[in-house]
Amino acid sequence: SAVISQKPSRDICQRGTSLTIQCQVDSQVTMMFWYRQQPGQSLTLIATANQGSEATYESGFVIDKFPISRPNLTFSTLTVSNMSPEDSSIYLCSVCRGANTEAFFGQGTRLTVV
Amino acid sequence: DAKTTQPTSMDCAEGRAANLPCNHSTISGNEYVYWYRQIHSQGPQYIIHGLKNNETNEMASLIITEDRKSSTLILPHATLRDTAVYYCIVRVGGAYGGSQGNLIFGKGTKLSVKP
Repeated sequence: SAVISQKPSRDICQRGTSLTIQCQVDSQVTMMFWYRQQPGQSLTLIATANQGSEATYESGFVIDKFPISRPNLTFSTLTVSNMSPEDSSIYLCSVCRGANTEAFFGQGTRLTVV
Repeated sequence: DAKTTQPTSMDCAEGRAANLPCNHSTISGNEYVYWYRQIHSQGPQYIIHGLKNNETNEMASLIITEDRKSSTLILPHATLRDTAVYYCIVRVGGAYGGSQGNLIFGKGTKLSVKP
């Protein structure tokens, strides 16, 4: 298994500001992913955080809005930029050691934009 | 879009077996079937996964049909703490890189275990 620590666990932010969410894993992992879960909805993949190169974004998500860093094999950040109320969601970090192994999730960051 | 179809909701009596079905009729030969659950306000929790053989662990059993077009997750003795949304996901295995290995979530089945 993997122990994932996400910070902050929740935040209330003003529109127009940015928030950086941190994801720390207790061991090295090959793959890290960022998901969004809007209120009452399922999870949607935002991007794959690639170590040493630019993140791979899914359709509908762009780097300017959701810049991602992955400086090493145990840490990643997701920034939600220029926030609006529509960005109010739970943001989750997920890690995986291989494509046919289980993925583990952090407890999420509950973001409210006012 | 998710490649699986699940009932929106199900009820189960406490202590009884919960059988959650999943249809994945377009599954490819290199895709695994994964089950996760999400208890309210928590991150998704891995339950079990399989390719074509039935699998069992301490949490559940996974029964995959011979044609691999459907599967059933079995919680043998459901408790109130098993109340959650259960997600059935098909996912590519093999060499990883880029977006391979990520999970595409559908809407899942909301399981309510009742006393």
